[in-house]
Amino acid sequence: IAGITQAPTSQILAAGRRMTLRCTQDMRHNAMYWYRQDLGLGLRLIHYSNTAGTTGKGEVPDGYSVSRANTDDFPLTLASAVPSQTSVYFCASRTNQRNTEAFFGQGTRLTVV
Amino acid sequence: AQSVTQLDSHVSVSEGTPVLLRCNYSSSYSPSLFWYVQHPNKGLQLLLKYTSAATLVKGINGFEAEFKKSETSFHLTKPSAHMSDAAEYFCVVSFLRTGANNLFFGTGTRLTVIP
Repeated sequence: IAGITQAPTSQILAAGRRMTLRCTQDMRHNAMYWYRQDLGLGLRLIHYSNTAGTTGKGEVPDGYSVSRANTDDFPLTLASAVPSQTSVYFCASRTNQRNTEAFFGQGTRLTVV
Repeated sequence: AQSVTQLDSHVSVSEGTPVLLRCNYSSSYSPSLFWYVQHPNKGLQLLLKYTSAATLVKGINGFEAEFKKSETSFHLTKPSAHMSDAAEYFCVVSFLRTGANNLFFGTGTRLTVIP
């Protein structure tokens, strides 16, 4: 079934540890995004990628890094997790045309303790 | 500057009564507009989208929205609420300039449906 897959679905992480959230899509979409969702704040963009080999910073990039080695995968890395990074993380993809909707993964619930 | 505002953080309606979720946007460019729904512990699902064709857009599950340029609004409506409509709803705006960093989210409206 075509779509976008995130892993893990949830994780409890000790502060200071490194963590990579995985995201894979099979729709051959050029653009991919990482958002975090926090109560009352909606979804905030962390990083994005217009196409394989390029990435850009979103609204809240500090403490996060991404890579886009190929079209399908867009991992998000927390180099040294802090409690304020406790959140639900969503990966999304879409074509680069403005009229097209984004498709979302099911989310990763991350708790940093 | 581009932005999107959802005017109500929480809306509560009785089952069988109409639903109105409000969304206003600010943009210097022609927008595309989307409504997404998120059920508890789920990802976001597209309800409907406006892409400069008909101003009244019909979506899934009986929802519809009307684009009003003069009011810079894109309010979501449904004639009769069902219990299964209880969820979080997000208004999302995309602007004329292409590029992956042009999706703007509202802060969401939580819809409660009372039996």
